[in-house]
Amino acid sequence: DTGVSQNPRHKITKRGQNVTFRCDPISEHNRLYWYRQTLGQGPEFLTYFQNEAQLEKSRLLSDRFSAERPKGSFSTLEIQRTEQGDSAMYLCASTLGGNSYNSPLHFGNGTRLTVT
Amino acid sequence: QKEVEQDPGPLSVPEGAIVSLNCTYSNSAFQYFMWYRQYSRKGPELLMYTYSSGNKEDGRFTAQVDKSSKYISLFIRDSQPSDSATYLCAMTPLLNSGGSNYKLTFGKGTLLTVNP
Repeated sequence: DTGVSQNPRHKITKRGQNVTFRCDPISEHNRLYWYRQTLGQGPEFLTYFQNEAQLEKSRLLSDRFSAERPKGSFSTLEIQRTEQGDSAMYLCASTLGGNSYNSPLHFGNGTRLTVT
Repeated sequence: QKEVEQDPGPLSVPEGAIVSLNCTYSNSAFQYFMWYRQYSRKGPELLMYTYSSGNKEDGRFTAQVDKSSKYISLFIRDSQPSDSATYLCAMTPLLNSGGSNYKLTFGKGTLLTVNP
């Protein structure tokens, strides 16, 4: 499978704990995105990387959230001191980027976070 | 008012019916439009994308964009039970240089059930 890969698929944690998710994009894609989707809603943009540079962060991304893409390949999203409101599906997506709008965003199957 | 409005349904149709799914938007900067299909507990899967007004056809799917009315549609012909899923519209501005930063704004999604 050469699609976007996310691990773990499901994470259950207690309030106040830290969690980390991993995303492996499609190999030739240099742009990587994180989105969050809550029940009954469409995904919402969180942040994105061009290679290893984090280019933009949404106001939704509080200071408890940090994302990295250290070598321009896989990315991690860490949430510190989790809250029940963090319960959601965290989606990773990738694209070739650049000036091509014939390379749309391809999503992984997400990590479902449940904070108890 | 949300930037993108999409009737969440649910929508239930018999097998073989023509399905019409719609979104309206308020931001005239949106120029690049996508439709995603999302099965339960999976990530969004890209169905179609377009950046011009008019129709674009791909097999049983037709995407229609009316920028003057800020209205987009997805038509599914000869619907099948395997089409049962949530359909998400998504859109974003195009950059002056061409291409997109793929900070997508999604609708809430419409839950479709096709009954055999």
